[in-house]
Amino acid sequence: SQQGEEDPQALSIQEGENATMNCSYKTSINNLQWYRQNSGRGLVHLILIRSNEREKHSGRLRVTLDTSKKSSSLLITASRAADTASYFCANAGGTSYGKLTFGQGTILTVHP
Amino acid sequence: NAGVTQTPKFQVLKTGQSMTLQCAQDMNHEYMSWYRQDPGMGLRLIHYSVGAGITDQGEVPNGYNVSRSTTEDFPLRLLSAAPSQTSVYFCASSYLSVITGELFFGEGSRLTVL
Repeated sequence: SQQGEEDPQALSIQEGENATMNCSYKTSINNLQWYRQNSGRGLVHLILIRSNEREKHSGRLRVTLDTSKKSSSLLITASRAADTASYFCANAGGTSYGKLTFGQGTILTVHP
Repeated sequence: NAGVTQTPKFQVLKTGQSMTLQCAQDMNHEYMSWYRQDPGMGLRLIHYSVGAGITDQGEVPNGYNVSRSTTEDFPLRLLSAAPSQTSVYFCASSYLSVITGELFFGEGSRLTVL
């Protein structure tokens, strides 16, 4: 399997704290994407970082990419109870159209 | 603008039965794909299509068939259902490819095979 690994598998924090999730992948990539999934729903795209980028911000989200270590991290600052969800990284590589390979996800619980 | 629409949302099958999961998108996306999601396994790619008339296999294609006769529709057929195909199935689309942009997901189809 080409699936990557996500760490930790589960994370429990208090509102206002920061949440950091890590992702490793196995092959060279064109880009790495982060998605969020609320319980019982489809996935929603959060942010895309290209292989020539090292850091990207979107609102309270900060993503870093280290292609030499084949790893990425997602930081959510000042977490809210509404951030409670599963978070997945996915890497795109291979052919010109690409296949998106997902990690196993991190379950984030933010306590009010 | 409905996005990606999947039907049915829930389905129970008996072993050996066949069925089709429907997926339609109204965003004029070229790239469409099917994933299955199982506990502890994340999402695994079943089949994908880069345009009408073009399909290719993903990571776990066995037991599934797809076709892409129009840009809008990408049905997933289970030929002879097995309990191992009990899962949540997601259809997702992208404007051109996952190299250039993100996937838009449907809400999922929950399948149980008895």
